Amino acid sequence: SYELTQPPSVSVSPGQTATITCSGDALPQQYACWYQQKAGQAPVMLIYKDSERPSGIPERFSGSSSGTTVTLTISGVQAEDEGDYYCHSADNSGSYPGVVFGGGTKLTVL
Amino acid sequence: VQLVESGGGVVQPGESLRISCAASGFTFDDYTMHWVRQVPGKSLEWVSLISFNGGKKYYADSVKGRFTVSRDNSKNSLYLLMNTLRPDDSALYYCVRDMDVDTTMVVFDYWGRGTLVTVSS
Repeated sequence: SYELTQPPSVSVSPGQTATITCSGDALPQQYACWYQQKAGQAPVMLIYKDSERPSGIPERFSGSSSGTTVTLTISGVQAEDEGDYYCHSADNSGSYPGVVFGGGTKLTVL
Repeated sequence: VQLVESGGGVVQPGESLRISCAASGFTFDDYTMHWVRQVPGKSLEWVSLISFNGGKKYYADSVKGRFTVSRDNSKNSLYLLMNTLRPDDSALYYCVRDMDVDTTMVVFDYWGRGTLVTVSS
């Protein structure tokens, strides 16, 4: 079955830039989304269609895509950004909706 | 936008359970809705979706034939009937709205806080 691969953990100091990647063979053909989940809370959508940011999401969150990898970049990381981050996309099976989530990346703010 | 799940609990393997989601703050019958589950400490797993008018329903292979999604637009409510429950169905079940960006992709734009289902003897 199709998989999206994320690094299990990323650590960064406050004010620095955090980069979280998500890799999958279908990503050149399928859009990806990013979600943030803080401890004990429901996920929040940060990015959709690879790089679109919904209203209310701070500008320090951005998304990009290159080949089989999509990337979430958090500029000027703040302590409140600590949590788990998940990418989501679709497979190329042609079977709708083909939803797949990455395994998640735990962001630690040092 | 508010999504409030209810109905979770502890059931034995093989039993059934129906969970619900009460929606408010938006025009419920304009949107596709989903159920997504998460074992605490693990990643997310999409379970099911239902189109805005209930005419189209889709399920993950892991629940196909056992779970049934439905909605009552007059009550702004979403439901998931889970039959023949197994221990690996134990998870936090989230009610999720689809942004409905277009017809070819799913975008989960608002999530409820979830209701916990535990299947154990």
